[in-house]
Amino acid sequence: GAGVSQTPSNKVTEKGKYVELRCDPISGHTALYWYRQSLGQGPEFLIYFQGTGAADDSGLPNDRFFAVRPEGSVSTLKIQRTERGDSAVYLCASSISSGGGPYNEQFFGPGTRLTVL
Amino acid sequence: AQKVTQAQTEISVVEKEDVTLDCVYETRDTTYYLFWYKQPPSGELVFLIRRNSFDEQNEISGRYSWNFQKSTSSFNFTITASQVVDSAVYFCALSSAGGGNKLTFGTGTQLKVEL
Repeated sequence: GAGVSQTPSNKVTEKGKYVELRCDPISGHTALYWYRQSLGQGPEFLIYFQGTGAADDSGLPNDRFFAVRPEGSVSTLKIQRTERGDSAVYLCASSISSGGGPYNEQFFGPGTRLTVL
Repeated sequence: AQKVTQAQTEISVVEKEDVTLDCVYETRDTTYYLFWYKQPPSGELVFLIRRNSFDEQNEISGRYSWNFQKSTSSFNFTITASQVVDSAVYFCALSSAGGGNKLTFGTGTQLKVEL
């Protein structure tokens, strides 16, 4: 079956612009996560959805970052007034449910490489 | 707070050598889960293994083996008879209910296997 997909694969934007990154999880996965990976670092947690609601958004760096998952499937990460420091690979992951909590394996998408000029 | 430390930034070996990747973790939770992921040059993270904190039994899967020791808070990963295709960045990660279900990753170890 299809894995997690993310679009676009690459996004180049100018400082101050608004961007949207899309994640399409594995069908039937109710939990969805966003991570950010800077060069030479491990992924860092941004936000976690269980169904339509954000169960944990403690990793969002500031109020320029926002994410939605209106129908409990596709999610969009939105970044306002982008800054050069936002440049990174944004990874999305999904897992079958949060019923098993932290036990469940997270399946990762290929990521969106965001470059802010 | 949760923390994962992978002290080895980069390791280079010659094909067929054995190699061990170290992982040390910190958590205040008594129930937690440890993971290893592989990130090949293509960039997509690939799940390798999961262990829970109550199961210290070592595991072997083909050329891969994992040594979990709670006494030293370590979860090390050994590749036996390494191959060029093993070249990748390997991440150790930790999750727990107290940590909010998210994965906390180490900084990764870049493994280069040369002919």
